[in-house]
Amino acid sequence: GAGVSQSPSNKVTEKGKDVELRCDPISGHTALYWYRQSLGQGLEFLIYFQGNSAPDKSGLPSDRFSAERTGGSVSTLTIQRTQQEDSAVYLCASSLAGGGSHNQPQHFGDGTRLSIL
Amino acid sequence: GENVEQHPSTLSVQEGDSAVIKCTYSDSASNYFPWYKQELGKGPQLIIDIRSNVGEKKDQRIAVTLNKTAKHFSLHITETQPEDSAVYFCAAYPGGYQKVTFGTGTKLQVIP
Repeated sequence: GAGVSQSPSNKVTEKGKDVELRCDPISGHTALYWYRQSLGQGLEFLIYFQGNSAPDKSGLPSDRFSAERTGGSVSTLTIQRTQQEDSAVYLCASSLAGGGSHNQPQHFGDGTRLSIL
Repeated sequence: GENVEQHPSTLSVQEGDSAVIKCTYSDSASNYFPWYKQELGKGPQLIIDIRSNVGEKKDQRIAVTLNKTAKHFSLHITETQPEDSAVYFCAAYPGGYQKVTFGTGTKLQVIP
């Protein structure tokens, strides 16, 4: 079946511009995550959506970053007034609902490679 | 919160040899431990996972072991092949919540 889809796959923009990154999760997955991965580094948690609950925004690095999830499906990560340090790969993942003894694995998209000039 | 340490950060092995990657976690409530493989230009892909009620799980050349008392778990790859070359991430899920903590990654190079 279809996996997690992210678009665009690559984005080059000038410093100071706003960018929107899109994530289409696997159908039926109620949990959705955004991560940032700098070159050769690990996964930095940004934000987590679970169903209709308030999102966990604890990983967003500044107020220039925001994310929405409409209709419990597609999500958009927005970075305003981009800076060069925002250059990274932005990964989206989704999973079935879980918790307690029924944690579910995350399924990742291939990411959006963002380059700020 | 949960803290996951992963070692080594890089690992080179000859084709056919075994590779072992180790992770330790801090939160004794963590109960689910997946491993991911990330190839260049791709997102991480789940390769094997283990739950806290199991001590070992195998899938062909890949196995994972869990020691709850010591709070560590390991990935074992036997008969390594060049296509095993990638970055591997471990992760720990705390009970009752889906926010996962990832290890810092291990870059595995299998030398033909």
